[in-house]
Amino acid sequence: DVKVTQSSRYLVKRTGEKVFLECVQDMDHENMFWYRQDPGLGLRLIYFSYDVKMKEKGDIPEGYSVSREKKERFSLILESASTNQTSMYLCASYRLGSGNTIYFGEGSWLTVV
Amino acid sequence: QKEVEQNSGPLSVPEGAIASLNCTYSDRGSQSFFWYRQYSGKSPELIMFIYSNGDKEDGRFTAQLNKASQYVSLLIRDSQPSDSATYLCAATKGTDSWGKLQFGAGTQVVVTP
Repeated sequence: DVKVTQSSRYLVKRTGEKVFLECVQDMDHENMFWYRQDPGLGLRLIYFSYDVKMKEKGDIPEGYSVSREKKERFSLILESASTNQTSMYLCASYRLGSGNTIYFGEGSWLTVV
Repeated sequence: QKEVEQNSGPLSVPEGAIASLNCTYSDRGSQSFFWYRQYSGKSPELIMFIYSNGDKEDGRFTAQLNKASQYVSLLIRDSQPSDSATYLCAATKGTDSWGKLQFGAGTQVVVTP
């Protein structure tokens, strides 16, 4: 079974702090994603990576950056956390040609106070 | 206008009945469509995907696609209490094949015994 692991499930951070959310997948997938999910808004794509060191902005990249130094690991960085970034963050991975199967991690619940 | 629209619900369905969920999308270039189930506090899990007009059946689930009307639906037959969840409709962005999806906000389904 494919496993997408988000190491931090629940975090509480202060406004202005730098926050790192880590995601690791174990199936050698090329593509990885960070989404955030908010009530009434569904999942929105923050950033996408299609290879090591390659990244592409999604629909809501403002206030976020990402890092992909190794194929299996995709990190989301909040340079200076703000209260409007309180949300659930979902990492996902996808193998090209895998039949459209996208695997999600368990989610990271971030509260910024 | 959101690119993928769903009724938020809740949709209340008696046990054993058919639950009917609807989804419309605005991007005429979207090629593939997905239904995810998400239990409260959990990550989305793929139920099925469809990319050809018509019906696709998998167990108690049937997805229907009408590209001319830009409409996707999901039928759940013989609904069980374990089907109580939020169902997310998603569509590929245009002809994108990289796994990037546009999600609806989800329809909450409540199956009552």
